[in-house]
Amino acid sequence: GQNIDQPTEMTATEGAIVQINCTYQTSGFNGLFWYQQHAGEAPTFLSYNVLDGLEEKGRFSSFLSRSKGYSYLLLKELQMKDSASYLCAVWVYKLSFGAGTTVTVRA
Amino acid sequence: DVKVTQSSRYLVKRTGEKVFLECVQDMDHENMFWYRQDPGLGLRLIYFSYDVKMKEKGDIPEGYSVSREKKERFSLILESASTNQTSMYLCASTALTKAEAFFGQGTRLTVV
Repeated sequence: GQNIDQPTEMTATEGAIVQINCTYQTSGFNGLFWYQQHAGEAPTFLSYNVLDGLEEKGRFSSFLSRSKGYSYLLLKELQMKDSASYLCAVWVYKLSFGAGTTVTVRA
Repeated sequence: DVKVTQSSRYLVKRTGEKVFLECVQDMDHENMFWYRQDPGLGLRLIYFSYDVKMKEKGDIPEGYSVSREKKERFSLILESASTNQTSMYLCASTALTKAEAFFGQGTRLTVV
């Protein structure tokens, strides 16, 4: 099976930076995804890493280390609208998700 | 605009009923998935399909079956609904070589 771990909750202040870690133990690996999900809505795609290193996309960056089975999502210049759940997912021959990290941004 | 559409947003069914959840995608995607999402447990994969008439069990297939008669449509079937199947059900699709998943809006199923 797949084992994907991420913290349950994080709280940060508007304008700050938050880093959400994800560790995985999977039978195979074809890529790691981060999704954002606002309450009551469907998940939406944020980023994709297949090679080691950092992928930057505006205020969001994602890092991958395949040898360590580790990824993080970095959210910079936090805004209130960034309050959401962030889901780490690993693509093997299917797409498997972690339980998600709920980020609360406080004014 | 790419679209994955689930037939119902909210559904209330009685214990023992046979329940059909429908999902249609307009992106010509090969892969389709059914997940259920419960607080604290995240998205758990029920079934997925690589192609028409193909299906593979996910992590929690018990009590469910699926049907894929056409490429664009993937149906989830609860043979005899039980209260522990009360959940949010999410359908997703991906292209064969690009695994970015597009999700439907979800169906919140309540079994009473």
